Amino acid sequence: DGGITQSPKYLFRKEGQNVTLSCEQNLNHDAMYWYRQDPGQGLRLIYYSQIVNDFQKGDIAEGYSVSREKKESFPLTVTSAQKNPTAFYLCASSISSPYNSPLHFGNGTRLTVT
Amino acid sequence: GIQVEQSPPDLILQEGANSTLRCNFSDSVNNLQWFHQNPWGQLINLFYIPSGTKQNGRLSATTVATERYSLLYISSSQTTDSGVYFCAVVHNYGQNFVFGPGTRLSVLP
Repeated sequence: DGGITQSPKYLFRKEGQNVTLSCEQNLNHDAMYWYRQDPGQGLRLIYYSQIVNDFQKGDIAEGYSVSREKKESFPLTVTSAQKNPTAFYLCASSISSPYNSPLHFGNGTRLTVT
Repeated sequence: GIQVEQSPPDLILQEGANSTLRCNFSDSVNNLQWFHQNPWGQLINLFYIPSGTKQNGRLSATTVATERYSLLYISSSQTTDSGVYFCAVVHNYGQNFVFGPGTRLSVLP
């Protein structure tokens, strides 16, 4: 079955360490996205990529970095510069531009930094 | 940027009741989706509905783009309907989905 796989489901890190969250899709979608969700809140866009080797900052990109070397993969690195990294991270993809195609989400990674 | 509001913020129902959730947006949109986030955090696509009406089982949705709102109807609610319902839109001049704050639904047995 096609879908979006995020790993791991739960991740624990010490403050000051960088951590990379994995996102892989086998839907052959061009566009991929990373969202952050804090408890009781909505989703905020961190980074997005419309094509391989290209990505753009979203609303809250500070302290995060991404790469898009392959169409199916869009890993997110949470750096030590991110002041409040503990959150639920969701990866999504769409066939093409969000103007005319729906979003599909992975199951998320819960990151806890202490 | 575009503003997205959802109402009510919280809703508690008895099993079997019907409900209507509303999403208002402040400007013209190209795209609109409804999602259900279950208690485990999983976001499930309900409807991709930039305009018109769609139905899927006990759920249906209507978007009136010219009046800048969308409605999600849940009939004969079940405890498994509990969770948070999000509306997300793409502004005509935007590049990405903007999410509303969500409606938290609790269906009691």
